[in-house]
Amino acid sequence: DGGITQSPKYLFRKEGQNVTLSCEQNLNHDAMYWYRQDPGQGLRLIYYSQIVNDFQKGDIAEGYSVSREKKESFPLTVTSAQKNPTAFYLCASSIFMFEVSGYIGNQPQHFGDGTRLSIL
Amino acid sequence: SQQGEEDPQALSIQEGENATMNCSYKTSINNLQWYRQNSGRGLVHLILIRSNEREKHSGRLRVTLDTSKKSSSLLITASRAADTASYFCAPIEDSGYSTLTFGKGTMLLVSP
Repeated sequence: DGGITQSPKYLFRKEGQNVTLSCEQNLNHDAMYWYRQDPGQGLRLIYYSQIVNDFQKGDIAEGYSVSREKKESFPLTVTSAQKNPTAFYLCASSIFMFEVSGYIGNQPQHFGDGTRLSIL
Repeated sequence: SQQGEEDPQALSIQEGENATMNCSYKTSINNLQWYRQNSGRGLVHLILIRSNEREKHSGRLRVTLDTSKKSSSLLITASRAADTASYFCAPIEDSGYSTLTFGKGTMLLVSP
């Protein structure tokens, strides 16, 4: 079955440590996204990538880094510069744009089941 | 990208009742999308309504869009306990490619 796989499901970070969250998709989607969700809050965009070897900062990119070397993979590194990393991290993917009968718009996003990151 | 604001923040109903949640936004849109999130899981896309559409149905879901009022509503008919989740709207701006921005959502609790 096609989908998005995030790993690990739970992750613990020590002070001063970088950690990398994995996100893999087999949907052949061009675009991939990383979001952060804090308890009782909505999702905030960290980074997104519309094509391999290219990515853009979202609303809260400070303290995070990404790479997009393959279409299927979009790993997120939470660096030691991120002072409050405890959160639920969600990865998503989508077809970049779609056109149907002259209508052009953003396709819906498909989400993984998240990684919960905590500080030791 | 613009953020939708969902209302109410929380809704508690009995099984079999209808649930209505609303979304307001600020600028003109290309389309508006609704998502569901079960506790501890990722979001699941429910329905997309284009700016030139006024109503759309999918199973027990009915979405309306009023672009003059910059608002949308999601109606879930004959609610089930399995509908318990948070629901988010995402208005997509009418200015080329736009990322999704999510508000705090509406938390729906359906009791047996």
